Amino acid sequence: NAGVTQTPKFRILKIGQSMTLQCTQDMNHNYMYWYRQDPGMGLKLIYYSVGAGITDKGEVPNGYNVSRSTTEDFPLRLELAAPSQTSVYFCASSTTSGRPGSAKNIQYFGAGTRLSVL
Amino acid sequence: GNSVTQMEGPVTLSEEAFLTINCTYTATGYPSLFWYVQYPGEGLQLLLKATKADDKGSNKGFEATYRKETTSFHLEKGSVQVSDSAVYFCALLNQAGTALIFGKGTTLSVSS
Repeated sequence: NAGVTQTPKFRILKIGQSMTLQCTQDMNHNYMYWYRQDPGMGLKLIYYSVGAGITDKGEVPNGYNVSRSTTEDFPLRLELAAPSQTSVYFCASSTTSGRPGSAKNIQYFGAGTRLSVL
Repeated sequence: GNSVTQMEGPVTLSEEAFLTINCTYTATGYPSLFWYVQYPGEGLQLLLKATKADDKGSNKGFEATYRKETTSFHLEKGSVQVSDSAVYFCALLNQAGTALIFGKGTTLSVSS
């Protein structure tokens, strides 16, 4: 059972380059998320999706784009990489959250992608 | 808005010592609360959770109790092991159920 798989694990980009971080889950989860983790900080939500064809912005969406064409895949796109986007990126997925306070929204995380923009 | 505040780290302990990592939150209503653990080079793993006041989450010897009156969810373990060395994140689920709000994380280092 693979869970949430992210590729690549590491990447170095030059300023202005573009790339796509891949995320796939095999748990048939409706919800998927992208977070970034900066040194000494907690994770901040970039984008999330509640199902195929539906995406929405999180706390720090600027400079990123996402798409959700299938239940399994949720790629994150950086169009014009900037040094401020140097971070560790985590993808996560969960089942339908249910009502607020529900315990259903347990998020399962991938191992992360470490990105440096130089 | 929603926020989570954790004690600053790093926390350095000897094996078999008692562990407390403080976590307090600010939120609308009564959110679900979580502790996640991140071992070196890995993603986050759910350690334990609680969904309502006075609930106690527990796993692998770790415990945390949802205290509504103090808006706290402190993590405790009676006897830590070297293998517990990791970064621990406290988090709450927003009211819409669409996102986790994380604290900054606390690094725990246990020596033998």
